[in-house]
Amino acid sequence: EVQLVASGGGLVKPGGYLRLSCAASGFTFSSYAMSWVRQAPGKGLKWVSGISGSGGTTYYADSVKGRFTISRDNSKNTLFLQMNSLRAEDTAVYYCVKVGTIQLGELSFFDYWGQGTLVTVSS
Amino acid sequence: SFELTQPPSVSVSPGQTASITCSGDILGSKYASWYRLKPRQSPVLVIYQDTKRPSGIPERFSGSISGNTATLTISGTQAMDEADYYCQAWDSSTAVVFGGGTKVTVL
Repeated sequence: EVQLVASGGGLVKPGGYLRLSCAASGFTFSSYAMSWVRQAPGKGLKWVSGISGSGGTTYYADSVKGRFTISRDNSKNTLFLQMNSLRAEDTAVYYCVKVGTIQLGELSFFDYWGQGTLVTVSS
Repeated sequence: SFELTQPPSVSVSPGQTASITCSGDILGSKYASWYRLKPRQSPVLVIYQDTKRPSGIPERFSGSISGNTATLTISGTQAMDEADYYCQAWDSSTAVVFGGGTKVTVL
């Protein structure tokens, strides 16, 4: 059974930082791309970032480029999202998501979603 | 930038068919996926690569594509299908794009 357990969310002041982690199990972690998707309160789903199975290719939404860094440790089956220079508009539930392909691209889709971790940016 | 447009809401009577559209420039040359999101739950993939249904998703869920519009159809809609539905596609310049979401209400 695929399990994605995200952690690291919490309350942080504007300009601060957080590091999200996602422990994956139930599949061959290095064989699949991974992503982070967020949902702000009362809003829709927004893609944040993605990384290939090898970790060699990364992608970012324009709204987080230069502030967020996605990475993965395939030896520990763990996905990370380092979030710096946080803003109020980054407040959201962040979902760790498994991609159905080894690379992000035309054929990719999000087949398993974790439970989400809440990030609140407020003074 | 690439955008996907969905109607904000769709209402359907129990047992009837609900159709949710998702439109975008050159969507016909891309693949669309669909996700169901219920309150206090994580999203669930219901259709991928336009028409494929993951294991465990009921047969009443189907996907189609015509021109630049993808459609998610729920046949014989049940009360448990009430949720928000999002389409998603990949664009070479924007990467992953989600539609704005459609709230399906079963009256």
